[in-house]
Amino acid sequence: AQTVTQSQPEMSVQEAETVTLSCTYDTSESDYYLFWYKQPPSRQMILVIRQEAYKQQNATENRFSVNFQKAAKSFSLKISDSQLGDAAMYFCAYSLNYGGSQGNLIFGKGTKLSVKP
Amino acid sequence: NAGVTQTPKFQVLKTGQSMTLQCAQDMNHNSMYWYRQDPGMGLRLIYYSASEGTTDKGEVPNGYNVSRLNKREFSLRLESAAPSQTSVYFCASSEEILLFSEAFFGQGTRLTVV
Repeated sequence: AQTVTQSQPEMSVQEAETVTLSCTYDTSESDYYLFWYKQPPSRQMILVIRQEAYKQQNATENRFSVNFQKAAKSFSLKISDSQLGDAAMYFCAYSLNYGGSQGNLIFGKGTKLSVKP
Repeated sequence: NAGVTQTPKFQVLKTGQSMTLQCAQDMNHNSMYWYRQDPGMGLRLIYYSASEGTTDKGEVPNGYNVSRLNKREFSLRLESAAPSQTSVYFCASSEEILLFSEAFFGQGTRLTVV
């Protein structure tokens, strides 16, 4: 069975600084997706960034980037120039890549990120 | 666009009562999902519907039933609510025909069973 582990229950960063959130996963599959979701106090789940396992290049979305290490099954999220609005719970998630399964997500337990002004 | 709409947003039930959580999406997505989120946990999949007319169990289906009423709507029913079903429930939808499609989430329903 696939599992996703986030070892940092809470993290804190100073505004404008950089922070890295860790995620490891376990799977025997070779074709899958990895995601980082943000959940602010409003409870809305917002997709931050995704990575296709077959792509070697790390995904980047503005201030958000990932370090995808497929052999190590590691998928960390780097937030650069942190802003107060980045404060939220961040969830790492995994899904297989075959028909009808891409929304069938397996989530880690989350990391609560605080941003200090 | 409304996206994924869940009703109600909050609900308190007594043990043994039944209720149905409603979910509708206006993005013409094929696949829909129900998740639950408990404190200190990530979301866990209860049931999903890969396409209209099909439903499948997820990780934690016990105590729930679902109905894919049409392409837009996917409801979750608790026949006899238990305190262990106190949770925040999320509905999601995605396209999933050929290429990757992002899963869009509703804003959640906070359910308390007393």
